[in-house]
Amino acid sequence: DQQVKQNSPSLSVQEGRISILNCDYTNSMFDYFLWYKKYPAEGPTFLISISSIKDKNEDGRFTVFLNKSAKHLSLHIVPSQPGDSAVYFCAATGRGGGSNYKLTFGKGTLLTVNP
Amino acid sequence: KAGVTQTPRYLIKTRGQQVTLSCSPISGHRSVSWYQQTPGQGLQFLFEYFSETQRNKGNFPGRFSGRQFSNSRSEMNVSTLELGDSALYLCASSPQGPATNEKLFFGSGTQLSVL
Repeated sequence: DQQVKQNSPSLSVQEGRISILNCDYTNSMFDYFLWYKKYPAEGPTFLISISSIKDKNEDGRFTVFLNKSAKHLSLHIVPSQPGDSAVYFCAATGRGGGSNYKLTFGKGTLLTVNP
Repeated sequence: KAGVTQTPRYLIKTRGQQVTLSCSPISGHRSVSWYQQTPGQGLQFLFEYFSETQRNKGNFPGRFSGRQFSNSRSEMNVSTLELGDSALYLCASSPQGPATNEKLFFGSGTQLSVL
């Protein structure tokens, strides 16, 4: 049972345009959501997070939006840069229902930003 | 502050052997989590330790085990290796553990190949 889903395995955008990565979740116990960026053969690097009490969090070029009623979140990167090319993982955690003390990850979206 | 350190970086084993992987968390972090990454499967949660106690465990067979020492360093062991155990094994640490407003810091991983 995949509780965090990233339905787009890959996304290609032009440099300078907006990248939008999407994530859906099913577990209503999740109350904290994170995005990680990963290069091959390296560990994931934290990018941005959002608590369920908010619907938007912004950090420089990165903005995460949370729609609790739809159980959906998205990561916006504006403007996209070639160095943003990586795999992006959505993750979630919460309290109860087996979600304690772990991050549940989606399968990732490979973002390619073309110069 | 030094990051999460995992050793060894690469490992080659044959089927039936066992392997032990090591993780040193960021100084002051008491929670250590382990994840397995295989192509197309995202990051699968193995287990999480805090103050030498396992607080959560993923859906892996009993061949996968772990422990945490009093200095917060952690090891994971895989016995009777199978070809399907070939993966990148990632360790992550945080001060108190995956929870609201607390992110994980990942090491670079141990790439295990089972022949």
